[in-house]
Amino acid sequence: EAEVAQSPRYKITEKSQAVAFWCDPISGHATLYWYRQILGQGPELLVQFQDESVVDDSQLPKDRFSAERLKGVDSTLKIQPAELGDSAMYLCASSLNNYEQYFGPGTRLTVT
Amino acid sequence: QQQVKQSPQSLIVQKGGISIINCAYENTAFDYFPWYQQFPGKGPALLIAIRPDVSEKKEGRFTISFNKSAKQFSLHIMDSQPGDSATYFCAKAFGNTPLVFGKGTRLSVIA
Repeated sequence: EAEVAQSPRYKITEKSQAVAFWCDPISGHATLYWYRQILGQGPELLVQFQDESVVDDSQLPKDRFSAERLKGVDSTLKIQPAELGDSAMYLCASSLNNYEQYFGPGTRLTVT
Repeated sequence: QQQVKQSPQSLIVQKGGISIINCAYENTAFDYFPWYQQFPGKGPALLIAIRPDVSEKKEGRFTISFNKSAKQFSLHIMDSQPGDSATYFCAKAFGNTPLVFGKGTRLSVIA
C-alpha cells in the first residue's frame, strides 16, 4: 500500500538553529500539504502545493518558515531560526483528487 | 479559519458499546466531511468520509450521520473495541481547499 514518507521522524534542536523536514508524497499525487499539529489539537495547514506551485501559504510564518516543491514531487519545509513555540508535530499529506488526503507519520520537533 | 466544533473532548466507552462523537460547522459552503483516526505518535488516518448529498454512510462498524439543516455530523462506532482507543478528528473541506479540523476527541474503550 502506497504511503506518504517523512523524515526525520524525530528532531531535537536548540532555539535559533535551522531545521528541515522532508516529505515524499504518494506517487501521482499532485497536491501536497504541510500541517502543524500542537499536542492535543487538530492539524492546521501551513502550506499547500499543487504540483510545484504554492496554492495557499496564508498561515505560513514567512519570516522564519519556507517550503519548496521544486520538481512537483517531494517537498522540504524549513524553519530558520527555530523558536520554542515551534515544538509540534509536522505532518505532510498528499491528495490525488483534492478530497481524500493521506497523511505521513509526521516529524516530532522539539526545540530546546 | 472557520472552525469545526467537536464534542466531547474525551469519551470513555465500555467494550461492545456505542461511541458517538459530534461535530458542528458554521458555513454551508463545504462539500466533504471526513473523519480521521490518530494513534499516539502516528499521523492521522482517513477513516470514513461523507458528502452532504447523503444523510448517512456506513463502513463496517463506523457510521457517519449528516444533518445538513442543523449543520451537524456525527461518527458512531458500533461494538467499540479496545483497539478503537485513539483520538478522532472530524474535518471539513470544499473542493481542493485544505482540511479544517476539529480539536479532536480522545476515545478510551475499556474492557
